[in-house]
Amino acid sequence: GAVVSQHPSWVICKSGTSVKIECRSLDFQATTMFWYRQFPKQSLMLMATSNEGSKATYEQGVEKDKFLINHASLTLSTLTVTSAHPEDSSFYICSARVRAGGYDQPQHFGDGTRLSIL
Amino acid sequence: QKEVEQDPGPLSVPEGAIVSLNCTYSNSAFQYFMWYRQYSRKGPELLMYTYSSGNKEDGRFTAQVDKSSKYISLFIRDSQPSDSATYLCAMSEGSYSGAGSYQLTFGKGTKLSVIP
Repeated sequence: GAVVSQHPSWVICKSGTSVKIECRSLDFQATTMFWYRQFPKQSLMLMATSNEGSKATYEQGVEKDKFLINHASLTLSTLTVTSAHPEDSSFYICSARVRAGGYDQPQHFGDGTRLSIL
Repeated sequence: QKEVEQDPGPLSVPEGAIVSLNCTYSNSAFQYFMWYRQYSRKGPELLMYTYSSGNKEDGRFTAQVDKSSKYISLFIRDSQPSDSATYLCAMSEGSYSGAGSYQLTFGKGTKLSVIP
């Protein structure tokens, strides 16, 4: 159980293009989803937290107009990198968390999306 | 001082060895402790999830939490080449309410290689 699917796994596009990444919880309802960015040989850096039906909360230094997050349903969140530039090239990973029975549950991660901007 | 310290390695062991990985932390409010395994170009996979102090065992994996020392460990018995990956410790304050309390703080990860 607790499978998180992320799509696409790899995308290459030209500078100035907008790219959408999808994150789905396949066998549970995710009240909260998270978006991370990971640079080579570095740990995960939290970009934003999104709760279903409300605006995402962005971490300090993350441009909300650059990284648009939509969490329209309990099983789907999307991250859109708008007008992407080479410096946006990175490994983006989503995670999802369900809160059940009043107890905190751990985050389960997708397999990540490798974004390369030419 | 960083909130979570983890030796990045790399750590290389022969197949069948017992592996010990650990993290130290400074935030005494952390209550939930996790170990994730991350293969190259993949997302982290949850291995162990523990609350507060104590031990938890799952197959070849044992997680230990010592809150008094702010120290957590992951032991891997009978290590296999398939265990070669980066191991991330993560922790959160957690609570039954509050928007930000379950945000994870990660260690930098320890890269493990198990040599056949």
